[in-house]
Amino acid sequence: GAGVSQSPSNKVTEKGKDVELRCDPISGHTALYWYRQSLGQGLEFLIYFQGNSAPDKSGLPSDRFSAERTGGSVSTLTIQRTQQEDSAVYLCASSPGPGGRGYTFGSGTRLTVV
Amino acid sequence: GQQVMQIPQYQHVQEGEDFTTYCNSSTTLSNIQWYKQRPGGHPVFLIQLVKSGEVKKQKRLTFQFGEAKKNSSLHITATQTTDVGTYFCAGRNSGGGADGLTFGKGTHLIIQP
Repeated sequence: GAGVSQSPSNKVTEKGKDVELRCDPISGHTALYWYRQSLGQGLEFLIYFQGNSAPDKSGLPSDRFSAERTGGSVSTLTIQRTQQEDSAVYLCASSPGPGGRGYTFGSGTRLTVV
Repeated sequence: GQQVMQIPQYQHVQEGEDFTTYCNSSTTLSNIQWYKQRPGGHPVFLIQLVKSGEVKKQKRLTFQFGEAKKNSSLHITATQTTDVGTYFCAGRNSGGGADGLTFGKGTHLIIQP
Protein backbone atom coordinates (compact mmCIF):
# COMPACT_ATOMS: atom_id res chain seq x y z
CA GLY A 1 0.00 0.00 0.00
CA ALA A 2 0.87 3.66 -0.06
CA GLY A 3 1.67 3.80 3.62
CA VAL A 4 1.94 1.72 6.77
CA SER A 5 -1.53 0.70 7.89
CA GLN A 6 -2.35 -0.19 11.48
CA SER A 7 -5.55 -1.53 12.95
CA PRO A 8 -7.46 -0.93 15.04
CA SER A 9 -6.74 2.76 15.52
CA ASN A 10 -8.16 2.61 19.02
CA LYS A 11 -8.67 -0.33 21.35
CA VAL A 12 -10.18 -0.33 24.81
CA THR A 13 -9.87 -3.60 26.67
CA GLU A 14 -10.44 -4.91 30.14
CA LYS A 15 -7.51 -5.81 32.33
CA GLY A 16 -6.61 -9.47 31.87
CA LYS A 17 -7.89 -9.77 28.31
CA ASP A 18 -5.69 -10.53 25.30
CA VAL A 19 -5.36 -8.07 22.41
CA GLU A 20 -4.02 -8.32 18.88
CA LEU A 21 -2.68 -5.33 16.99
CA ARG A 22 -2.15 -5.48 13.26
CA CYS A 23 0.40 -3.80 11.00
CA ASP A 24 0.42 -3.84 7.21
CA PRO A 25 3.75 -2.41 6.03
CA ILE A 26 4.57 -0.70 2.75
CA SER A 27 4.69 -3.23 -0.04
CA GLY A 28 8.25 -4.35 -0.69
CA HIS A 29 9.62 -3.14 2.63
CA THR A 30 11.57 -6.00 4.15
CA ALA A 31 12.12 -4.46 7.58
CA LEU A 32 9.30 -4.03 10.11
CA TYR A 33 9.47 -2.55 13.59
CA TRP A 34 7.16 -2.25 16.58
CA TYR A 35 7.54 0.61 19.06
CA ARG A 36 5.52 1.71 22.07
CA GLN A 37 4.95 5.34 23.05
CA SER A 38 3.41 6.37 26.33
CA LEU A 39 1.72 9.77 26.58
CA GLY A 40 4.22 12.52 25.88
CA GLN A 41 7.15 10.12 26.03
CA GLY A 42 9.73 8.80 23.62
CA LEU A 43 9.72 5.68 21.49
CA GLU A 44 10.35 2.36 23.22
CA PHE A 45 11.63 -0.33 20.87
CA LEU A 46 9.78 -3.64 21.09
CA ILE A 47 10.68 -5.95 18.20
CA TYR A 48 12.27 -5.91 14.72
CA PHE A 49 11.71 -8.20 11.74
CA GLN A 50 14.07 -8.29 8.77
CA GLY A 51 13.14 -10.53 5.85
CA ASN A 52 13.24 -14.19 6.80
CA SER A 53 15.73 -13.71 9.62
CA ALA A 54 14.87 -14.49 13.22
CA PRO A 55 13.27 -11.40 14.76
CA ASP A 56 15.10 -9.23 17.27
CA LYS A 57 12.88 -9.50 20.36
CA SER A 58 15.25 -7.73 22.72
CA GLY A 59 12.80 -4.91 23.46
CA LEU A 60 9.77 -6.95 24.47
CA PRO A 61 9.02 -5.96 28.09
CA SER A 62 7.67 -9.32 29.25
CA ASP A 63 6.66 -12.76 28.04
CA ARG A 64 3.09 -11.48 27.75
CA PHE A 65 4.18 -9.73 24.56
CA SER A 66 4.76 -11.59 21.30
CA ALA A 67 4.75 -10.77 17.63
CA GLU A 68 4.79 -12.57 14.35
CA ARG A 69 5.14 -11.62 10.75
CA THR A 70 3.52 -13.83 8.18
CA GLY A 71 4.89 -14.18 4.67
CA GLY A 72 7.29 -11.32 5.22
CA SER A 73 4.41 -8.84 5.15
CA VAL A 74 1.66 -8.33 7.72
CA SER A 75 2.64 -8.40 11.38
CA THR A 76 0.57 -8.99 14.49
CA LEU A 77 1.58 -7.87 17.98
CA THR A 78 -0.18 -9.84 20.71
CA ILE A 79 -0.41 -8.80 24.33
CA GLN A 80 -1.72 -11.46 26.67
CA ARG A 81 -3.37 -10.78 30.03
CA THR A 82 -3.21 -7.03 29.53
CA GLN A 83 -2.28 -4.78 32.44
CA GLN A 84 -3.02 -1.09 32.93
CA GLU A 85 0.65 -0.24 32.38
CA ASP A 86 0.30 -1.64 28.85
CA SER A 87 -1.81 1.40 27.95
CA ALA A 88 0.08 3.32 25.27
CA VAL A 89 0.20 4.00 21.55
CA TYR A 90 1.72 1.09 19.67
CA LEU A 91 3.50 2.24 16.53
CA CYS A 92 4.56 0.08 13.62
CA ALA A 93 7.15 1.20 11.09
CA SER A 94 8.69 -0.28 7.98
CA SER A 95 11.73 0.46 5.85
CA PRO A 96 13.12 -0.85 2.58
CA GLY A 97 15.84 -2.80 4.36
CA PRO A 98 18.43 -2.73 7.09
CA GLY A 99 20.93 0.02 7.60
CA GLY A 100 20.63 3.55 6.47
CA ARG A 101 17.02 4.11 5.53
CA GLY A 102 14.39 6.21 7.23
CA TYR A 103 11.42 4.51 8.81
CA THR A 104 7.84 5.08 7.66
CA PHE A 105 5.54 4.93 10.67
CA GLY A 106 1.89 4.00 10.76
CA SER A 107 -0.65 6.09 12.63
CA GLY A 108 -0.52 3.73 15.59
CA THR A 109 -3.00 1.86 17.75
CA ARG A 110 -4.02 3.61 20.95
CA LEU A 111 -4.50 0.88 23.55
CA THR A 112 -6.35 1.64 26.75
CA VAL A 113 -6.57 -1.03 29.42
CA VAL A 114 -9.33 -0.39 31.96
CA GLY B 1 24.09 -0.40 25.61
CA GLN B 2 23.90 2.60 23.36
CA GLN B 3 22.22 5.68 24.78
CA VAL B 4 21.00 8.71 22.87
CA MET B 5 20.29 11.81 24.91
CA GLN B 6 18.37 14.83 23.68
CA ILE B 7 18.20 18.27 25.18
CA PRO B 8 16.22 20.21 26.00
CA GLN B 9 13.19 18.10 26.81
CA TYR B 10 10.89 21.10 26.31
CA GLN B 11 11.49 24.40 24.53
CA HIS B 12 9.11 27.35 24.53
CA VAL B 13 9.78 30.03 21.93
CA GLN B 14 7.98 33.04 20.57
CA GLU B 15 6.94 32.71 16.94
CA GLY B 16 9.76 34.02 14.80
CA GLU B 17 12.51 33.04 17.24
CA ASP B 18 15.08 30.37 16.45
CA PHE B 19 15.11 26.89 17.99
CA THR B 20 17.82 24.29 18.46
CA THR B 21 17.72 20.75 19.78
CA TYR B 22 20.81 18.72 20.56
CA CYS B 23 21.42 15.00 20.41
CA ASN B 24 24.33 13.18 22.06
CA SER B 25 25.30 9.53 21.82
CA SER B 26 27.36 7.49 24.23
CA THR B 27 28.92 5.67 21.26
CA THR B 28 30.15 6.59 17.78
CA LEU B 29 27.32 6.43 15.28
CA SER B 30 27.32 5.20 11.70
CA ASN B 31 24.52 7.62 10.91
CA ILE B 32 21.81 9.65 12.56
CA GLN B 33 18.22 10.34 11.59
CA TRP B 34 15.76 13.02 12.61
CA TYR B 35 11.99 12.68 12.88
CA LYS B 36 9.14 15.10 13.60
CA GLN B 37 5.96 14.15 15.40
CA ARG B 38 3.07 16.60 15.34
CA PRO B 39 0.69 16.60 18.33
CA GLY B 40 -1.59 13.58 17.98
CA GLY B 41 0.36 12.30 15.00
CA HIS B 42 3.07 9.78 14.30
CA PRO B 43 6.79 10.32 13.71
CA VAL B 44 7.70 11.40 10.21
CA PHE B 45 11.21 10.93 8.82
CA LEU B 46 12.97 14.22 8.07
CA ILE B 47 16.55 13.44 7.15
CA GLN B 48 19.58 11.19 7.58
CA LEU B 49 23.17 12.31 8.14
CA VAL B 50 26.03 9.94 7.45
CA LYS B 51 29.33 11.80 7.09
CA SER B 52 31.44 13.31 9.83
CA GLY B 53 30.80 17.06 9.98
CA GLU B 54 27.91 16.83 7.52
CA VAL B 55 25.48 19.75 7.29
CA LYS B 56 22.16 19.52 5.47
CA LYS B 57 19.43 22.10 5.04
CA GLN B 58 15.73 21.82 4.41
CA LYS B 59 14.29 25.32 4.02
CA ARG B 60 14.45 26.79 7.55
CA LEU B 61 15.84 23.58 9.09
CA THR B 62 19.59 22.96 9.40
CA PHE B 63 20.90 19.58 10.50
CA GLN B 64 24.49 18.95 11.62
CA PHE B 65 26.43 15.81 12.40
CA GLY B 66 29.45 16.23 14.66
CA GLU B 67 33.01 15.60 13.59
CA ALA B 68 33.29 12.67 16.00
CA LYS B 69 29.91 11.31 14.85
CA LYS B 70 28.65 11.25 18.44
CA ASN B 71 26.43 14.32 18.39
CA SER B 72 23.99 16.11 16.15
CA SER B 73 21.80 19.17 16.16
CA LEU B 74 18.68 20.48 14.48
CA HIS B 75 18.27 24.23 14.16
CA ILE B 76 15.09 25.94 13.00
CA THR B 77 15.33 29.56 11.91
CA ALA B 78 12.40 31.91 12.47
CA THR B 79 9.96 29.37 13.87
CA GLN B 80 6.40 29.22 12.62
CA THR B 81 3.33 27.69 14.28
CA THR B 82 3.58 24.79 11.85
CA ASP B 83 6.87 23.81 13.48
CA VAL B 84 5.09 22.77 16.67
CA GLY B 85 5.75 19.15 17.61
CA THR B 86 8.31 16.79 19.04
CA TYR B 87 11.63 16.34 17.30
CA PHE B 88 13.38 13.01 17.75
CA CYS B 89 16.90 12.05 16.82
CA ALA B 90 17.72 8.40 16.23
CA GLY B 91 21.26 7.15 16.13
CA ARG B 92 22.45 4.01 14.47
CA ASN B 93 25.52 2.01 15.42
CA SER B 94 26.86 -1.17 13.96
CA GLY B 95 24.90 -3.47 16.24
CA GLY B 96 22.08 -3.58 18.70
CA GLY B 97 18.33 -3.88 18.48
CA ALA B 98 16.00 -2.48 15.85
CA ASP B 99 18.57 -2.46 13.14
CA GLY B 100 20.84 -0.60 15.50
CA LEU B 101 18.62 2.49 15.65
CA THR B 102 18.14 4.05 19.08
CA PHE B 103 15.73 6.95 19.51
CA GLY B 104 16.24 9.86 21.85
CA LYS B 105 13.35 10.92 24.08
CA GLY B 106 12.63 13.94 21.91
CA THR B 107 12.41 17.70 22.31
CA HIS B 108 8.93 19.16 22.55
CA LEU B 109 8.76 22.50 20.72
CA ILE B 110 6.01 24.83 21.93
CA ILE B 111 5.49 28.06 20.01
CA GLN B 112 3.74 31.06 21.49
CA PRO B 113 2.19 33.36 18.88
